[in-house]
Parts: sequence; structure tokens; C-alpha cells
Amino acid sequence: AQSVTQLDSQVPVFEEAPVELRCNYSSSVSVYLFWYVQYPNQGLQLLLKYLSGSTLVKGINGFEAEFNKSQTSFHLRKPSVHISDTAEYFCAVSGTGGFKTIFGAGTRLFVKA
Amino acid sequence: EPEVTQTPSHQVTQMGQEVILRCVPISNHLYFYWYRQILGQKVEFLVSFYNNEISEKSEIFDDQFSVERPDGSNFTLKIRSTKLEDSAMYFCASSTLVGSGYTFGSGTRLTVV
Repeated sequence: AQSVTQLDSQVPVFEEAPVELRCNYSSSVSVYLFWYVQYPNQGLQLLLKYLSGSTLVKGINGFEAEFNKSQTSFHLRKPSVHISDTAEYFCAVSGTGGFKTIFGAGTRLFVKA
Repeated sequence: EPEVTQTPSHQVTQMGQEVILRCVPISNHLYFYWYRQILGQKVEFLVSFYNNEISEKSEIFDDQFSVERPDGSNFTLKIRSTKLEDSAMYFCASSTLVGSGYTFGSGTRLTVV
């Protein structure tokens, strides 16, 4: 079974500042890792995914994440945030042999002017 | 860009009534899913569907729930006898492959009164 822990429930940050949203996972098998974003009253949108290969993955809207197997982490970063990045961000994991994806509790990113 | 379409966007039903939530996944996707998000809680896996059968389901997905793909385009979730605790946002998702990441619909907000 897999589990995901998002270490921060809320992250306030000023516009144009860098941000890191932290995610740790646990699994007894190999995993795929994902970050999704949810804007108010909308569904979840895939930001990026790690399946294999390079541990640094780049996604949409200037976000990137780094897979660290030894620390079982998959932190999301953006060097300079915009007001429009204000949303809820979900880290998620699935076993490579399974069908379901397990989501973390979410981190609310609030970008201030 | 192709999208997953869910209808209705909001449904209010009386406790004990049956509801059917409808979804049109992306046409060339092979895997279909239902997730739910109770207000303020995690996004929870309900069921995955592949090759016209359930491939995996969670402990939430009991005998009160069923899924169907009645034709080549629709994917439905039926709740036979709704309970107050079924009130949640229900998300449909689809994917091309296991591990490719999901495309989510905008959700159906189900309110059981």
C-alpha cells in the first residue's frame, strides 16, 4: 500500500518569490509520482509526473519537482510565483502495478501581491 | 484540448434515493476512475474500470455503489440508496495508460438531504 504526506497545509508567499511545496511518500513497491493543481470550483489538473529516468521533472506553468528515492520525497518548486498560482496542490502516488492513485491532503498555496 | 465532461454539476437528492452521476471520458482513453472529495478532506479513490470491468475498488465502494459503461462514450456511477455521508464532490477521471496521469472532470457536487 502507498501513502502520501504533504507537510504543509497552507503556504503563503509573496508574488515573484520562490516556493517549495513538500511531499513525502511511503510504498513497499516502485511508484509513479504526480502533482495536481485544483483551482476553485474546478477539477484537478495534472501539473507533472515522475515515472522513471531523470529525477528532475518539469511540468506546466513553470513548476518542477525532484524525485528523491532515498528520502522518499517529491517536492514541488517554482522559482517565481504569480498571483494566478493561488490554488490547492495535491501530491499523489500510485504503485507501478496498480490502478489507483493515492492523494495527499493538499497544500493551499496563497500568493500575495 | 480534450476534456472529461461530468453531468450534472450539482445534484441535490433526498436520503434513500438513487442517483446516477454521468461522465464522458476522453474518447481514446482506456482507463476510467471515480474519486470523491468530502468537503475539507482528501481526494479518495472509489473505483477503477478497464476493459468493461472493475479493475480495482476501495473499501468505500460497497454494494450501494456500481459503475457502468453503457455505450462507447458514457461512464456512470450509481449510488442505490444515498446516505447523508455520501455528500461530496465526485470526480470522474480517465487515462490512456496506468501511470500516465489522469484527466479529471470538473466534478459533480452531490448533496444528500
